Amino acid sequence: QVQLQESGPGLVKPSETLSLTCAVSGGSISSYYWSWIRQSPEKGLEYIACFFNSGSTNYHPSLMSRATISVDTSKNQLSLRLTSVTAADTAVYFCAGASRWLSFDFWGQGTLVTVSS
Amino acid sequence: ETVMTQSPVTLSVSPGERATLSCRASQSVNSNLAWYQQKPGQAPRLLIYGASSRATGIPARFSGSGSGTEFTLTISSLQSEDFAVFYCQQYGNWPLTFGGGTKVEIK
Repeated sequence: QVQLQESGPGLVKPSETLSLTCAVSGGSISSYYWSWIRQSPEKGLEYIACFFNSGSTNYHPSLMSRATISVDTSKNQLSLRLTSVTAADTAVYFCAGASRWLSFDFWGQGTLVTVSS
Repeated sequence: ETVMTQSPVTLSVSPGERATLSCRASQSVNSNLAWYQQKPGQAPRLLIYGASSRATGIPARFSGSGSGTEFTLTISSLQSEDFAVFYCQQYGNWPLTFGGGTKVEIK
C-alpha cells in the first residue's frame, strides 16, 4: 500500500518561495506518475504539475513560469517549488500518484499553505 | 483548457436510493475520465478510471459510463458512508482539469 506524506511551511509571505515535499512509502517512486494538485474554496481542485517516470514534466500553463516539480529517487520523495507566491496561492496542497495514466490512486492527506504577511 | 461541468451541484438522496451524477466536458476527452469521492478533511479517493472501470476496493454499487463529452456516475443504492462530494477529472487533454463537484447529501 503506497502512502504519501506532505510536509512544508504552513505560512509563506507574499513574493516568497513555497517549497513542499512528499515522502513516498510502500512503493518505489519510479513506478508511478506523480502530481501536485491544490484545492481552495475559490478554485476547487486545481492541477499544478506532473512528473513522469521518464523524467519529463508537465505544468499548468498558468503556473508554468513559477512552479518546479521534481523527484529524488534516492529519498523516494517528490517536491514542489512555487516562486513569487500571492494570496491566490493559498490552498490545501496534495501530492498524488497514479499507477495508471493520470487517474490518481494515491493521495497524501494534504497540507494547508497560507500566503500572508 | 477543457472545462468540466458537473450537475447537479447538490443532490439530496435517501439511503438505499439511486444517485445519478453527471459530468460534461467542453471538448472530447475520449474515455480519459476519473471520478473521485471526497469527505470533509480528507483527500479525494479514486472511484472510477477510464470512465467505467472501478478502482481497487471500490464497491460494485459505484458504476461509471460515458465517453467523449458526457459522463455519468451512478451509485445504485446509497449507503450512509457514501454521502460526500464527488468530482470528475479529465486526463484526455492538457492541462488536467476537475469539475466543480456534486455534493450528495442525506434527504
